[in-house]
Amino acid sequence: KAGVTQTPRYLIKTRGQQVTLSCSPISGHRSVSWYQQTPGQGLQFLFEYFSETQRNKGNFPGRFSGRQFSNSRSEMNVSTLELGDSALYLCASSNDGPRGGEQFFGPGTRLTVL
Amino acid sequence: AQSVTQLGSHVSVSEGALVLLRCNYSSSVPPYLFWYVQYPNQGLQLLLKYTSAATLVKGINGFEAEFKKSETSFHLTKPSAHMSDAAEYFCAVTDTGGFKTIFGAGTRLFVKA
Repeated sequence: KAGVTQTPRYLIKTRGQQVTLSCSPISGHRSVSWYQQTPGQGLQFLFEYFSETQRNKGNFPGRFSGRQFSNSRSEMNVSTLELGDSALYLCASSNDGPRGGEQFFGPGTRLTVL
Repeated sequence: AQSVTQLGSHVSVSEGALVLLRCNYSSSVPPYLFWYVQYPNQGLQLLLKYTSAATLVKGINGFEAEFKKSETSFHLTKPSAHMSDAAEYFCAVTDTGGFKTIFGAGTRLFVKA
């Protein structure tokens, strides 16, 4: 089985721009979670989608949004980028969500905001 | 709200020595607990998980962890460290609803030759 793929792997943007990151889960997985990883804040939960519905959301401003398509692929969007949005964005897929189930992580998208 | 505390942001051991990475959680109900490892420039990989079946959980690469409810701990151990174990390790817990995973701050393990 192919693993979780994230595109692009690296991205450089400037303040004020917007960005869209993509995540393709493992075939058959219906849950996709997104995390932001920074040296200062560690791994922080952004949101989780299951069958195109957002089931849970972390404490991030509305500039961070996401969606999931019928084939379970997910995108997250960050609008009006700020310097502090520079981070590694990880997505993880699982059969039915984080509870009890193993999450399989992608390699991440490294976003740099200049 | 659940939280996870990892004692020690950096741990250094010699090759062949015991590895002990500490994790304490706060929860009023038995949680789902996980240990993940992250190698440089990679995503996270599951080492092991506790889902109330057994208190001693064996994982990959010779790691194991013991769930102690009385101490609200889930420490990760490995009897003999290898150079390849050098990585960052994250303890995690799912929230009550089960739709969110909360990660500890991580412990970077250094292995000296």
